[in-house]
Amino acid sequence: DAKTTQPTSMDCAEGRAANLPCNHSTISGNEYVYWYRQIHSQGPQYIIHGLKNNETNEMASLIITEDRKSSTLILPHATLRDTAVYYCIVRVVFSGSARQLTFGSGTQLTVLP
Amino acid sequence: DVKVTQSSRYLVKRTGEKVFLECVQDMDHENMFWYRQDPGLGLRLIYFSYDVKMKEKGDIPEGYSVSREKKERFSLILESASTNQTSMYLCASIDPDRGLAEAFFGQGTRLTVV
Repeated sequence: DAKTTQPTSMDCAEGRAANLPCNHSTISGNEYVYWYRQIHSQGPQYIIHGLKNNETNEMASLIITEDRKSSTLILPHATLRDTAVYYCIVRVVFSGSARQLTFGSGTQLTVLP
Repeated sequence: DVKVTQSSRYLVKRTGEKVFLECVQDMDHENMFWYRQDPGLGLRLIYFSYDVKMKEKGDIPEGYSVSREKKERFSLILESASTNQTSMYLCASIDPDRGLAEAFFGQGTRLTVV
């Protein structure tokens, strides 16, 4: 799996967009970018994933650079409940065998009132 | 709506005790995982299982074993608990045909070994 690099922590004002970067310069062509978050004292929660096109769902948007070496998770209107650790994961998806989830240390996002 | 359930939220055990952490999922997933989470270290994979009675070591299996007798249940066993196993333990299950996008985690078990 490609290695990912994320900032240790970030702050964001409530109501503003939160932009969380992730570097994955060694990503290969068949590896997807996944984002999870973990709110304090809860299990991780899936947010969004993508291969090369930008993606949007009800929780967030994912912007992947054209060379796929980095990506940005965007929370368009951050709320206090978005305060969490955000994990960027790069992983090949294949069927028929176990998939290991390998999480790094993530980015602690703190949304400030 | 609960999909992955861990038997305890908080557990306190004595050094040397045998400890069982239970995880049950109701989504008929084949792949299940046990992680531990410690401050500054993120999530680290202990063991995973891709089918009943099948198991594979993760990154930090020492001091742990697992049991998967039924598809829906994956147990983590601390044969002789030690203080360095004080941690948050997280169970997850995945549909192998949907990949990481379908990973569901339990609420976690915070284990303290005294």
